[in-house]
Amino acid sequence: SYVLTQPPSMSVAPGRTATIACGGSNIERKSVHWYQQKPGQAPMVVIYYDRDRPSGIPERFTGSNSGNTATLTISRVEAGDEADYYCQVCDSSSDPYVVFGGGTKLTVL
Amino acid sequence: EVQLLESGGGLVQPGGSLRLSCAASGFAFSSYAMTWVRQAPGKGLEWVSGISGSGASTYYADSVRGRFTISRDNSKNTVYLHMNSLRAEDTAVYYCAKDHSGYEPDHSDYWGHGTQVTVSS
Repeated sequence: SYVLTQPPSMSVAPGRTATIACGGSNIERKSVHWYQQKPGQAPMVVIYYDRDRPSGIPERFTGSNSGNTATLTISRVEAGDEADYYCQVCDSSSDPYVVFGGGTKLTVL
Repeated sequence: EVQLLESGGGLVQPGGSLRLSCAASGFAFSSYAMTWVRQAPGKGLEWVSGISGSGASTYYADSVRGRFTISRDNSKNTVYLHMNSLRAEDTAVYYCAKDHSGYEPDHSDYWGHGTQVTVSS
């Protein structure tokens, strides 16, 4: 089955840039989605189809996908960005059809 | 406003059964696929099952295939997750989510608040 690999944790100072990687075999051939989950809350999509941003998500959140790595970049990090971030791929030609990465806990110093 | 309200969670003994429900409102329910995702205590997200908007196609994770059944009643704007032969490792918060697509599994653009399922003797 398809595996998505994320670093378990990372920390960044306010105002700096956080880059969260999601590794998968030839992941560039798949559409990658990113979710943010704060403690006690349901997940929320922040990037879909590699780089699209839902309404209401700040432009500070951007996504990219190339080779074997998809990336979520958060610019000018704020305290409110502290959360768990999960990457996801959905592929009806694969089994299982939907896979999540293990998640990355982002700590804002 | 899209709303998803899960219910049916609770404490059940190993080997037991439970049916989760998710009542949806605020969108054309039958036009969208629906998904169940779970999260064990202190763990990450795990996709469980999905169903197309018409209900004709269903999808399952290996960990639940043969034990869980997803279904929907478009006349009631409700999706269900029937869980049988429950195990301790099924203990989790179960989230209902609306997919972006109507047919195949896609990213989930709206989520419910989740319902707790605890499997323990």
